[in-house]
Amino acid sequence: LAKTTQPVSMDSYEGQEVNITCSHNNIATNDYITWYQQFPSQGPRFIIQGYKTKVTNEVASLFIPADRKSSTLSLPRVSLSDTAVYYCLVGYTDKLIFGTGTRLQVFP
Amino acid sequence: DAGITQSPRYKITETGRQVTLMCHQTWSHSYMFWYRQDLGHGLRLIYYSAAADITDKGEVPDGYVVSRSKTENFPLTLESATRSQTSVYFCASSEPGGASSNEQFFGPGTRLTVL
Repeated sequence: LAKTTQPVSMDSYEGQEVNITCSHNNIATNDYITWYQQFPSQGPRFIIQGYKTKVTNEVASLFIPADRKSSTLSLPRVSLSDTAVYYCLVGYTDKLIFGTGTRLQVFP
Repeated sequence: DAGITQSPRYKITETGRQVTLMCHQTWSHSYMFWYRQDLGHGLRLIYYSAAADITDKGEVPDGYVVSRSKTENFPLTLESATRSQTSVYFCASSEPGGASSNEQFFGPGTRLTVL
């Protein structure tokens, strides 16, 4: 049974780097891994997407090992405004499975 | 304004009633999706559509019906609402290239309560 697993919550302080992992068994060969950020009472917002190795954009990096059974979202130097829930999304053949979500709390 | 909108934003209904949630996008995206998010949980895919007149089931389709007669609209109907369908419903759209290989743009959500 396809399943996407993340840690339930993480705490950090402003200025630190935060790494959030996602485990995804049975990922399909052609499927991408996408990360979203969600604030209360809002829809998720795209952060970054990758297929393999490393991807970096202006807000985050995504690390995907060769076996692609997991991925790590890296947020450099977090701020209070990064307090949110983070979801990974993985395609499984004809299904899209969101991870369970990681609630990140950033403290001053 | 361009974007993706959902209506109504809030809806209270009773068990057994039919309810339709509307979703409209102005980008002409090929793909559209419906998700539900239960309190304190992640999002689960209900249905998705790759193009007009093409729809497919997601993870939790039972009790829901969708249609896509026009590219820009993707209504979700609960034929006979149940209390277990109380949830926040999100609509999303994306460009073509595969359901998992493109950024999805999410609407603001519809909070549905079934009494």
